[in-house]
Amino acid sequence: QAQMLQSGPGLARPSQTLSLTCDISGDYVSIKYNTWNWIRQSPSRGLEWLGRTYFRSKWHTDYAESVKGRININPDTSKNRLSLQLNSVTSEDTAVYYCVTGTRAFDFWGPGTMVTVSS
Amino acid sequence: DIVMTQTPLSSPVALGQSASISCRSSQSLVHSDGNTYLSWLQQRPGQPPRLLIHEISKRVSGVPDRFSGSGAVTDFTLTISRVEAEDVGVYFCTQGTQFPQTFGQGTKLQIK
Repeated sequence: QAQMLQSGPGLARPSQTLSLTCDISGDYVSIKYNTWNWIRQSPSRGLEWLGRTYFRSKWHTDYAESVKGRININPDTSKNRLSLQLNSVTSEDTAVYYCVTGTRAFDFWGPGTMVTVSS
Repeated sequence: DIVMTQTPLSSPVALGQSASISCRSSQSLVHSDGNTYLSWLQQRPGQPPRLLIHEISKRVSGVPDRFSGSGAVTDFTLTISRVEAEDVGVYFCTQGTQFPQTFGQGTKLQIK
């Protein structure tokens, strides 16, 4: 089963960029049967799916409408890693961010990274 | 987006008793491939969510058979029989039938 090790700063400044990485073991980011997601959780918004990437002959990426235009999810096959960048953050982006595998169900969850947006 | 509505939001249960959590979707969750992609997550205090059940009733390996899922189309239920102390936490339903995948607001299971 996939295991994910998440890293990144726990504090982001308003209007700046939030950057997180997810190092994957036990599976491959480029494997054709899996999908790699970023999901966040906050008391005000609950669990919120942000976006996903997956490889099916070529790379595909989808984003939630709520963050489209501000988000980038990139796979790094050389490091077997997934990254998340969220631009122009506000206090509304304060949440625990999870790296999660799964296509029709969310099979395995990373430990989560608490990110606070504050000056 | 499909809206997932859970009831109740809080469920106090005595040890050894049963608990039921309902999840209703705003649209049918039957996919064009014939499957219904409704799953249940458990989140224990201080931990990330964990997948318990997928496709309505299929338990993930290692999940006790005290957990069972049922339902169809738009109405689904998670039943926990013989509740134990380790079952305390928040339970979420989630759908993977239609993009984007969405979640219920969560039901907090507490011991009475």
